[in-house]
Amino acid sequence: QKEVEQNSGPLSVPEGAIASLNCTYSDRVSQSFFWYRQYSGKSPELIMSIYSNGDKEDGRFTAQLNKASQYVSLLIRDSQPSDSATYLCAVYFGNEKLTFGTGTRLTIIP
Amino acid sequence: DTGVSQDPRHKITKRGQNVTFRCDPISEHNRLYWYRQTLGQGPEFLTYFQNEAQLEKSRLLSDRFSAERPKGSFSTLEIQRTEQGDSAMYLCASSQGGGAREAFFGQGTRLTVV
Repeated sequence: QKEVEQNSGPLSVPEGAIASLNCTYSDRVSQSFFWYRQYSGKSPELIMSIYSNGDKEDGRFTAQLNKASQYVSLLIRDSQPSDSATYLCAVYFGNEKLTFGTGTRLTIIP
Repeated sequence: DTGVSQDPRHKITKRGQNVTFRCDPISEHNRLYWYRQTLGQGPEFLTYFQNEAQLEKSRLLSDRFSAERPKGSFSTLEIQRTEQGDSAMYLCASSQGGGAREAFFGQGTRLTVV
């Protein structure tokens, strides 16, 4: 059973601090990894993709991938109240089926 | 720029009725996915199409569920004889290419079975 696991939270972070979200996956051959943000009652919105080991930065967001440890993370710098949402980690298994974790609920405290 | 479009946005139906949802993917995208999401859970894979071919169906997709993508463009998801357990958000996503590419979601269709 191929799985994507996330800590469901909730994770509370003060405004202006760094929020760190983690995800592990079960398939060693997976090559493509994504982070989606989902506001309550809305559909998921793609915010980051990462395909190779290391860090990828986009504005206040940094995705980190470690394939040897089967671990992907998302860092949000200078957290804002508008970052309060559920963050979904998604992994392609066999390059065919995009599989999601259950999501981590993040709350930014003003 | 037109993204993925789903219709209707909301559907309330009585138990036992049939419902059909439509998804229009981003125009150049040849891969189309259907997911179901319930409160507090991540999206659960239902099925996907590469052009008009349905390549995989989840075990979640019982015989009451059927999906089509007749001309490789829009797709429909039909649920027959709805049950209260079918109440969920039904999400459609599309991506370009043969796989492992960025997928973009529509607004979703929220189904309530009463």
